[in-house]
Amino acid sequence: DTAVSQTPKYLVTQMGNDKSIKCEQNLGHDTMYWYKQDSKKFLKIMFSYNNKELIINETVPNRFSPKSPDKAHLNLHINSLELGDSAVYFCASSQEYRGRRTEAFFGQGTRLTVV
Amino acid sequence: GQNIDQPTEMTATEGAIVQINCTYQTSGFNGLFWYQQHAGEAPTFLSYNVLDGLEEKGRFSSFLSRSKGYSYLLLKELQMKDSASYLCAVKADRGSTLGRLYFGRGTQLTVWP
Repeated sequence: DTAVSQTPKYLVTQMGNDKSIKCEQNLGHDTMYWYKQDSKKFLKIMFSYNNKELIINETVPNRFSPKSPDKAHLNLHINSLELGDSAVYFCASSQEYRGRRTEAFFGQGTRLTVV
Repeated sequence: GQNIDQPTEMTATEGAIVQINCTYQTSGFNGLFWYQQHAGEAPTFLSYNVLDGLEEKGRFSSFLSRSKGYSYLLLKELQMKDSASYLCAVKADRGSTLGRLYFGRGTQLTVWP
């Protein structure tokens, strides 16, 4: 069973389009994250979210918005895609509050290419 | 701000020992993690240090000195499959930072036969 799964694995789209990436975790974790890994392999936090708090990295454009229908899902919606959004996006989850704290588990990544 | 530094690249031969260093300056500290990432794959967890000292886990060990803002990952008996990027990450866990991991740029390790 995949612990953290994201879809799609590859996404090629044109500038100006709106797209979503889905993420689901079956680990029962209370906190989920989105990370962006650029062409130089630098992994940078975008969002942290649990059912009480959303933390947005101040460098993330407001074209990016996380949406969480329930605690097992954290989707990433991107409006008006730009060439510079091309990167690999990783979803992750961890247990931060009640129960044993864990390390972050990562999904397999979504390679987004904007043309 | 968060600043995490590690060498960009390292090379070593099969069977050797390699030490990958990481220094950090962060606002808040609640542990340091090492992750391994093979090309085109997700980062996978290797080790966690929150107290000073050495944590050993098979061929891999990780050391932390909080007063020096310093950690290293030690890989013994290197194998070809150890060729990967090794990411140092610090968890900032104070106030509203919600336990997020801040990553260094990764050290690309190449193991030669």
